[in-house]
Amino acid sequence: SYELTQPPSVSVSPGQTASITCSGDKLGDKYACWYQQKPGQSPVLVIYQDSKRPSGIPERISGSNSGNTVTLTISGTQAMDEADYYCQAWDSSTVVFGGGTKLTVL
Amino acid sequence: EVQLVESGGGLVQPGRSLRLSCAASGFTFDDYAMHWVRQAPGKGLEWVSVISWNSGSIGYADSVKGRFTISRDNAKNSLYLQMNSLRAEDTALYYCAKDITRYGDPYTPNFDYWGQGTLVTVSS
Repeated sequence: SYELTQPPSVSVSPGQTASITCSGDKLGDKYACWYQQKPGQSPVLVIYQDSKRPSGIPERISGSNSGNTVTLTISGTQAMDEADYYCQAWDSSTVVFGGGTKLTVL
Repeated sequence: EVQLVESGGGLVQPGRSLRLSCAASGFTFDDYAMHWVRQAPGKGLEWVSVISWNSGSIGYADSVKGRFTISRDNAKNSLYLQMNSLRAEDTALYYCAKDITRYGDPYTPNFDYWGQGTLVTVSS
């Protein structure tokens, strides 16, 4: 079965840039999206089709896709960005989520 | 305002059944594929099932195939998940989620709205 691999945790200082990666076989041939989930809340779509932002998502959140890796980048990271982030793609009529990355803003 | 409200969760013994519902409002329900996604306590997200806008295409994760059945009633703006032969590993918060694309491919979704979830606990 298809797998998406994310680092379990990423730490960043306030105001710096955070990058969260998600890798999978031939991921560059697919579209991926990203969700942000804060404790006790439902996930929120922050990036879809690799790099598009839904309305209401700030421009400092961006996405890219290259080769076998998609990357979520948060510029000027703020305390409010501390959350779990999940990538998602699909393969063989199955929707697949990455294991999630806990972003800590130190 | 789009709203998705799940219900039907609870404590159930292994091997028993449960039916979840998701009431949708604030959008044209029958234009969109709908999904169920679950999250075990303290764990990540796991896709469960999809139903296309017209119920013509249905899919399941291998972990629930043959035990769970997804359905929808567009006249009632409602999504359902019939869960049979429940196991301890089915314990999770179950979310219904809407695809961002009108009449989109049900197998290439982006979930732009999620409900708050309904908790299913399978235990004796």
